[in-house]
Amino acid sequence: SQELEQSPQSLIVQEGKNLTINCTSSKTLYGLYWYKQKYGEGLIFLMMLQKGGEEKSHEKITAKLDEKKQQSSLHITASQPSHAGIYLCGAAYTGTASKLTFGTGTRLQVTL
Amino acid sequence: GAGVSQSPRYKVAKRGQDVALRCDPISGHVSLFWYQQALGQGPEFLTYFQNEAQLDKSGLPSDRFFAERPEGSVSTLKIQRTQQEDSAVYLCASSLSGGGNQPQHFGDGTRLSIL
Repeated sequence: SQELEQSPQSLIVQEGKNLTINCTSSKTLYGLYWYKQKYGEGLIFLMMLQKGGEEKSHEKITAKLDEKKQQSSLHITASQPSHAGIYLCGAAYTGTASKLTFGTGTRLQVTL
Repeated sequence: GAGVSQSPRYKVAKRGQDVALRCDPISGHVSLFWYQQALGQGPEFLTYFQNEAQLDKSGLPSDRFFAERPEGSVSTLKIQRTQQEDSAVYLCASSLSGGGNQPQHFGDGTRLSIL
């Protein structure tokens, strides 16, 4: 969707390295969701952010929401092969908050 | 399991045939969503139910697409007179409530191939 831009489109990192994925909205966000998808499978919910400045962490994954920039970042610390997959951000917008608009995803590969 | 269940996982149909895709949401989830995911793209919204009421069907690409959730639980997405451009993964998601305050939990999808 052009309303939601993700970068980079793909990323190859060495095991143990940190990485960041960005998601920028052209419209005011009501909420921002991060999902992970493995090929042939559904989306696994990671985190939901709704308030500006909000930051959430789960294991080695941290997500932040910058309300002024309408942007969210997903940061993985000390990447592992299990982190490999496609990371998708999904936006909920005011007035249509029940449906999510997704970015095109970031494909992450973690090399040994 | 306790997650969203979709069937069949794979469906191959000839152009012009009708297909029906089933979704069993998480028990107790009021809201149910259908998305279409093309290869290499993020999911795109098709339709949304709150209980048995279809509140938003703005994403259905044509009148060949029809979705129902008659008893507010299981949902079926039907595609009539399938075309090659209908080939995609169809994802179902459910959430405790609508409104964007609860995360949507996704099934593994149905991969539809139209020959």
